[in-house]
Amino acid sequence: AQTVTQSQPEMSVQEAETVTLSCTYDTSESDYYLFWYKQPPSRQMILVIRQEAYKQQNATENRFSVNFQKAAKSFSLKISDSQLGDAAMYFCAYGSGGSNYKLTFGKGTLLTVNP
Amino acid sequence: EAGVVQSPRYKIIEKKQPVAFWCNPISGHNTLYWYLQNLGQGPELLIRYENEEAVDDSQLPKDRFSAERLKGVDSTLKIQPAELGDSAVYLCASSSGLAGGYETQYFGPGTRLLVL
Repeated sequence: AQTVTQSQPEMSVQEAETVTLSCTYDTSESDYYLFWYKQPPSRQMILVIRQEAYKQQNATENRFSVNFQKAAKSFSLKISDSQLGDAAMYFCAYGSGGSNYKLTFGKGTLLTVNP
Repeated sequence: EAGVVQSPRYKIIEKKQPVAFWCNPISGHNTLYWYLQNLGQGPELLIRYENEEAVDDSQLPKDRFSAERLKGVDSTLKIQPAELGDSAVYLCASSSGLAGGYETQYFGPGTRLLVL
């Protein structure tokens, strides 16, 4: 079974600064997807970014980028130019593919953005 | 385009009472998921539907939980009877079902259940 570990229960960053959230995972599969989801206090889970395991290039979405290290099974999220609206719980998720498709989530990292 | 719709948003019941949650996925999405999210935890899959078929219900506690998606569109998750430990957020998600299981899942706002 796959496991996802987020070792930082809480993180804080100053507005306009950069912060990196860590995620490691354990799997024996070779084909999978990785995701970062954001969950603000309203509890609507929102997709931030996704990475296909077969792609070597790291995914980017505006101020959000990932550092995907497949051999190390590491998938960190970097948020640049942090904004107050980035404050939320961030979940790293592993996606098994094919007929057994499911998402396995980490426990989350609570990000606080200080003005 | 409307997102995943869930109702109610909040529900307070006494233990041993039944409760039901409703979810309407994004239009055209064939795959629907129900997740359980305990306080301070990430969501855990309860059941996955492809159209009207439950293709993965291995994590659904079948003694008290049931789900249905009769016409392959909206879905209902039921608990009967509810226990104190069922207090949590119940999330519904959907995906297109067109990418062979590699699609992004889109989540609804969730139903927060409190069992007294």
